[in-house]
Amino acid sequence: EAQVTQNPRYLITVTGKKLTVTCSQNMNHEYMSWYRQDPGLGLRQIYYSMNVEVTDKGDVPEGYKVSRKEKRNFPLILESPSPNQTSLYFCASSSTVAGEQYFGPGTRLTVT
Amino acid sequence: ILNVEQSPQSLHVQEGDSTNFTCSFPSSNFYALHWYRWETAKSPEALFVMTLNGDEKKKGRISATLNTKEGYSYLYIKGSQPEDSATYLCASLSGSARQLTFGSGTQLTVLP
Repeated sequence: EAQVTQNPRYLITVTGKKLTVTCSQNMNHEYMSWYRQDPGLGLRQIYYSMNVEVTDKGDVPEGYKVSRKEKRNFPLILESPSPNQTSLYFCASSSTVAGEQYFGPGTRLTVT
Repeated sequence: ILNVEQSPQSLHVQEGDSTNFTCSFPSSNFYALHWYRWETAKSPEALFVMTLNGDEKKKGRISATLNTKEGYSYLYIKGSQPEDSATYLCASLSGSARQLTFGSGTQLTVLP
């Protein structure tokens, strides 16, 4: 089954404790991205990747890192989480930048 | 950052009513326009990807039109059903950008 998986689905953590949210897709898509969703603000892109070893900042990259060592995986790293990073995070992939996005199930992160 | 706007922000209709909502986006250097359907507690799912001025796409009772010269797209739902209740997102991609910019969505509630 074609899908995008994310882990963990829910996470409560404390300020400053490094964490990684994993994202994996099995559709051989080149384009992957991370979004955060906050009430009233819609989906905002954090980082995107056009292909392996090619990543770029989206609209709200501050406080986040990503890597793309393999085509299927695109982890999101929060080196020192802060409460303003409490949000719902989605990973997405598509065959091209203009193609329809396939979204993962979402990760709800709470930073206290 | 592109400014993608959707209206109305929320909408309540009776079962059987037809409805429509609007997505406006900067028309300069347009490349693609996406519509997604996002049900509560699920992930966004693609409805349409549109690229050509005058494009019309249809999926069951849902259809969309695109005007790239004036920078707007309409989403129509004919004979709304309670299962159509969801947030409908549009996203725009400009030719110079490599990222989708999402609007904040229209939340549709269909009352039985």
